Amino acid sequence: DIVMTQSPATLSVSPGERATLSCRASQSVTSNLAWYQQKPGQAPRLLIYGSSTRATGIPARFSGSGSGRVFTLTISSLQSEDFAVYYCQHYNNWPPYTFGQGTKLEIK
Amino acid sequence: EVQLVESGGGLVQPGRSLRLSCGVSGFTFDDYAMHWVRQAPGKGLEWVSGLSWNSGSIDYAESVKGRFTISRDNAKNSLYLQMNSLRAEDAAFYYCAKGAFETVASPFDYWGQGTLVTVSS
Repeated sequence: DIVMTQSPATLSVSPGERATLSCRASQSVTSNLAWYQQKPGQAPRLLIYGSSTRATGIPARFSGSGSGRVFTLTISSLQSEDFAVYYCQHYNNWPPYTFGQGTKLEIK
Repeated sequence: EVQLVESGGGLVQPGRSLRLSCGVSGFTFDDYAMHWVRQAPGKGLEWVSGLSWNSGSIDYAESVKGRFTISRDNAKNSLYLQMNSLRAEDAAFYYCAKGAFETVASPFDYWGQGTLVTVSS
């Protein structure tokens, strides 16, 4: 199975600053990588798919990059509503379509 | 507006069965793959199972293979998860999620609010 490893586990950033979250796959997933945001008590929300394509309605301050095994989610200028847990997930050809363990983005 | 509404969760004893349902609206159900994802309270996300638009391709996580069965009824715009031989470690919120494509290998672009399954004697 492909293991998805996210870092850091917790990231403390001030509003208005940039946040950079990392995700590494144990083997190549080409560009079949998605990022989700989850707030307490809510279902996850798709932010990015295809490594870098923003989902419908996602603000331009969210951007994704990477291919193969190493991926990054960048939030260019943090807003109060962006503090949440972020998960990466691969959806490459074969299941299981594993998620990373999550990065908690908290207010500094 | 896309909506996914799960039902069927509850308290069940170890070894017993439960059937989850997910009713959808706001999109052409039989054009897309569908999935179940679970999350134990305070833990991360775990993909459980998925099936293609026509049920021609079905996949399961190893942790549920042989015990859980996913199915869909395109005429009723509904997705199901039959869960047998439930274990304590199956306790979680179960989310129904829509695949962005018709194939199983796709990101999940819409999610329901989840239904809680508790396994305890």
